[in-house]
Amino acid sequence: DVKVTQSSRYLVKRTGEKVFLECVQDMDHENMFWYRQDPGLGLRLIYFSYDVKMKEKGDIPEGYSVSREKKERFSLILESASTNQTSMYLCASSSPPREQFFGPGTRLTVL
Amino acid sequence: GENVEQHPSTLSVQEGDSAVIKCTYSDSASNYFPWYKQELGKRPQLIIDIRSNVGEKKDQRIAVTLNKTAKHFSLHITETQPEDSAVYFCAARIHSSGGGADGLTFGKGTHLIIQP
Repeated sequence: DVKVTQSSRYLVKRTGEKVFLECVQDMDHENMFWYRQDPGLGLRLIYFSYDVKMKEKGDIPEGYSVSREKKERFSLILESASTNQTSMYLCASSSPPREQFFGPGTRLTVL
Repeated sequence: GENVEQHPSTLSVQEGDSAVIKCTYSDSASNYFPWYKQELGKRPQLIIDIRSNVGEKKDQRIAVTLNKTAKHFSLHITETQPEDSAVYFCAARIHSSGGGADGLTFGKGTHLIIQP
């Protein structure tokens, strides 16, 4: 059974703080993804990675960076958090051609 | 890039009736179309998907149809039950057989409400 875990379910940070969101998958998947989910906007792709140390920008990369030092771990970094980054963040992983499996999400609030 | 439009945003049907959710996409190179179901407070989970070499796929009460010419695809749920209440997302992706990865472009979601 595929398991994708995220380091926190809820997180509260202050404007200007550096924020790290961690995602770990245990199925040796090559691909990992970060999405944000906002009401009425669906899920939007921030960044993805198809290999260790490789990263690609998604549709809304501004204000974010990522790190993939190990195959099983993909981190999303907010260098200087802002209130408009308050959102639900979902990590996913996949091994083509199979579907993407999602983590439980991290609800981030930036005050 | 790809753009996916999904309609309606909210759909209310009587238990036992059918529900249809429609999506259109913009990039003719897209070749993979999954549907995800997200129950309140839970993660999205794949319920059915279709690839561009197939026009229709069915799994028990759920079916998906794809019209490549018109660039639209639809989710059909028959004999709806209370547990079908959730938000449903369609998505599109260009799958490269040569490796690499492409993220999904999602529609904005449909809140399906099953009335008892």
